[in-house]
Amino acid sequence: TQLLEQSPQFLSIQEGENLTVYCNSSSVFSSLQWYRQEPGEGPVLLVTVVTGGEVKKLKRLTFQFGDARKDSSLHITAAQPGDTGLYLCISSYDKVIFGPGTSLSVIP
Amino acid sequence: NAGVTQTPKFQVLKTGQSMTLQCAQDMNHNSMYWYRQDPGMGLRLIYYSASEGTTDKGEVPNGYNVSRLNKREFSLRLESAAPSQTSVYFCASSDVDTDTQYFGPGTRLTVL
Repeated sequence: TQLLEQSPQFLSIQEGENLTVYCNSSSVFSSLQWYRQEPGEGPVLLVTVVTGGEVKKLKRLTFQFGDARKDSSLHITAAQPGDTGLYLCISSYDKVIFGPGTSLSVIP
Repeated sequence: NAGVTQTPKFQVLKTGQSMTLQCAQDMNHNSMYWYRQDPGMGLRLIYYSASEGTTDKGEVPNGYNVSRLNKREFSLRLESAAPSQTSVYFCASSDVDTDTQYFGPGTRLTVL
């Protein structure tokens, strides 16, 4: 059974700081998606990565997919209060599997 | 487009009561899902429907039933609510061509 682990579980930083959160699996991903969930809302897709070594940028967010397709990272540059939320990684191996999420709080 | 809509947004039940959570999508998606989200446990799949007329169990189906009423609507029923079913419930739909899931705003259920 494929499991997804995310770290850290909680992160509280000051506005303007940089941060990186991680998603790891015991198995190879076929594809990996990152979602952000704001308080009181459902998750919203940020990006999908498919190819090992792939790097995608979305404004101040940089997503990397490991060469072996067993890990991924999300780096946020100059975090802003609007980045506050729960960041979820989701794998679609033979079924959809969710990581437990990283809860990010950016303090003004 | 409204995307995925869910009703109600909040609900409080007493143990043993029943209720149905409603979900509808207007994106013409074939697949629809019901998840529950609990602190520290992420999203767990309760049931899913790959197409109209079909439903399958997910990771945590016990205590729940579903109905795929038509292509747009997918309902989740709790026949006899238990405190362990206190959670936030999300409905989602997805397109067959991509793995992208579109989520509703959630139903916050408390069972006393």
